[in-house]
Amino acid sequence: ETGVTQSPTHLIKTRGQQVTLRCSSQSGHNTVSWYQQALGQGPQFIFQYYREEENGRGNFPPRFSGLQFPNYSSELNVNALELDDSALYLCASSAMEYNSPLHFGNGTRLTVT
Amino acid sequence: AQRVTQPEKLLSVFKGAPVELKCNYSYSGSPELFWYVQYSRQRLQLLLRHISRESIKGFTADLNKGETSFHLKKPFAQEEDSAMYYCALSTNFGNEKLTFGTGTRLTIIP
Repeated sequence: ETGVTQSPTHLIKTRGQQVTLRCSSQSGHNTVSWYQQALGQGPQFIFQYYREEENGRGNFPPRFSGLQFPNYSSELNVNALELDDSALYLCASSAMEYNSPLHFGNGTRLTVT
Repeated sequence: AQRVTQPEKLLSVFKGAPVELKCNYSYSGSPELFWYVQYSRQRLQLLLRHISRESIKGFTADLNKGETSFHLKKPFAQEEDSAMYYCALSTNFGNEKLTFGTGTRLTIIP
């Protein structure tokens, strides 16, 4: 069973730039969620994708967007990067069924300078 | 909006002593509560969820709706319990969009 994989592991960007983070879901999972974890904080829900459609969104501005592909992999795009976007971005996959737990990846550490 | 509070950022306990990690929540409806754990150099993983009423690695947690709490307990701490623990809440049963607390780093003193 292949777990959730995220790429890249680390990334440094400049304020105002755009970034794309990638996530491959665990085999058999059709739902992908993205979380932002700032230093010293718990993960904060960004959005969830199910069957290539956004299925819920947290309190994040529209410059945070995503995609889910037919193979259930996903991308998180952030435009017009701000210094406060520096964080660990976690992807989690699950099956859209009751009692299906989230399986997290190791995250992408984004630093905005 | 829902909120999860973990009042202790750091907790140190001697091996063999009881452990209690506190979690309080605010939500007007009926939430689903979880504990997630992150061991050193490992990814975040589910420890237990209140609807399962399981004991995982000796840990239990009871949902107290009157006190809006979901404290994590273990009667005898082991060194391998040292980790970061996050309490989380979902308002969507079966489709978790989680609200996490800020976490408690538990250190077991040998």
